[in-house]
Amino acid sequence: KAGVTQTPRYLIKTRGQQVTLSCSPISGHRSVSWYQQTPGQGLQFLFEYFSETQRNKGNFPGRFSGRQFSNSRSEMNVSTLELGDSALYLCASSLRGRYTEAFFGQGTRLTVV
Amino acid sequence: DAKTTQPPSMDCAEGRAANLPCNHSTISGNEYVYWYRQIHSQGPQYIIHGLKNNETNEMASLIITEDRKSSTLILPHATLRDTAVYYCIVLPLMDSNYQLIWGAGTKLIIKP
Repeated sequence: KAGVTQTPRYLIKTRGQQVTLSCSPISGHRSVSWYQQTPGQGLQFLFEYFSETQRNKGNFPGRFSGRQFSNSRSEMNVSTLELGDSALYLCASSLRGRYTEAFFGQGTRLTVV
Repeated sequence: DAKTTQPPSMDCAEGRAANLPCNHSTISGNEYVYWYRQIHSQGPQYIIHGLKNNETNEMASLIITEDRKSSTLILPHATLRDTAVYYCIVLPLMDSNYQLIWGAGTKLIIKP
């Protein structure tokens, strides 16, 4: 079966701009979680969506937001980009949520200049 | 802060068993121990998880101490492709208000 697909793979944006990242989960998976990974902070949880509802949220400012559609595809938006937002953004999908056999995508590498 | 403590790095010879320790002394009764690994430039990959019994699958074995304060992930016959950062995390399976915190993991280098 197809894995988790994240688009785009690479992105370069300017400070102050906004960006939208997309994640298509494995077919049948209803939970999608988003993470930010940087060399200094490691892997940090952003939020989780389950059946179109945000079920859990990490400690990130309101500039980071997301949503999930009825087909379980999810988008993450970051507004007013800052240099510190440069990171690898990872999406994970799972059947029931939590970490039970969560499958991660390859990630979107965002560079803010 | 992460609820787990792992050595920052380890080496293992190819073909030998790699034993990766994890300390989770504050683990709660409803928290599971999960192991993931991240190969360079890829997303993390699920390996195994357990509550209190030892677990084995096609990738690895998980040994959890009786007091559940520590665990060991065992890769029985390490190959060069097992070189990765290994993360041990704990989280409750059914709690909807948990905070997901990943530590720095252990960078495992398999040497030929």
